[in-house]
Amino acid sequence: TQLLEQSPQFLSIQEGENLTVYCNSSSVFSSLQWYRQEPGEGPVLLVTVVTGGEVKKLKRLTFQFGDARKDSSLHITAAQPGDTGLYLCAGRLFSGGYNKLIFGAGTRLAVHP
Amino acid sequence: DSGVTQTPKHLITATGQRVTLRCSPRSGDLSVYWYQQSLDQGLQFLIQYYNGEERAKGNILERFSAQQFPDLHSELNLSSLELGDSALYFCASSVFFGASGELFFGEGSRLTVL
Repeated sequence: TQLLEQSPQFLSIQEGENLTVYCNSSSVFSSLQWYRQEPGEGPVLLVTVVTGGEVKKLKRLTFQFGDARKDSSLHITAAQPGDTGLYLCAGRLFSGGYNKLIFGAGTRLAVHP
Repeated sequence: DSGVTQTPKHLITATGQRVTLRCSPRSGDLSVYWYQQSLDQGLQFLIQYYNGEERAKGNILERFSAQQFPDLHSELNLSSLELGDSALYFCASSVFFGASGELFFGEGSRLTVL
């Protein structure tokens, strides 16, 4: 069972469409990050959100942290083929005496020309 | 290029064997993290070191061990390998282990156990 549930698992869309990816948990996180991973490479950080209700924009990408700091969403406007990749959310929490960064299983996005 | 170097990139071995994966963090980063990525389970946190000391432990099997050396490079040792250990193993580094630090990932070591 994943501590962070991401949905959908797979998304295949046409260029120009909008999409939203969700990251949900029953745990409260001190911060939440979104990473993008391309084939053959490691994940690369897109954004970090820290405050409940926080919204951050990165060009066509909009990230939101839930008010209770348990969930987050990533919205992409007018998707482009270059947005194709695996999108991972990662929450930081204190658990079992440790400060850990826990990843969701990811949403695999394919944007077709 | 994230600045994190992992070797080897690919490794094929047999069940029951032992392998060592190596990671050199970004220059100046004191924290090293190890993650396992498989198709069905995503990125699973294994273990974290900070300046040579273990700081956090995740779902790391007893057959696995790791350490961080004085020069800050780290090694992940996997022993008595099983088919299910086949996965991508990522190393990441960061300056701190604080609340919102960015992790910089290497390109991973792909382990195939036959």
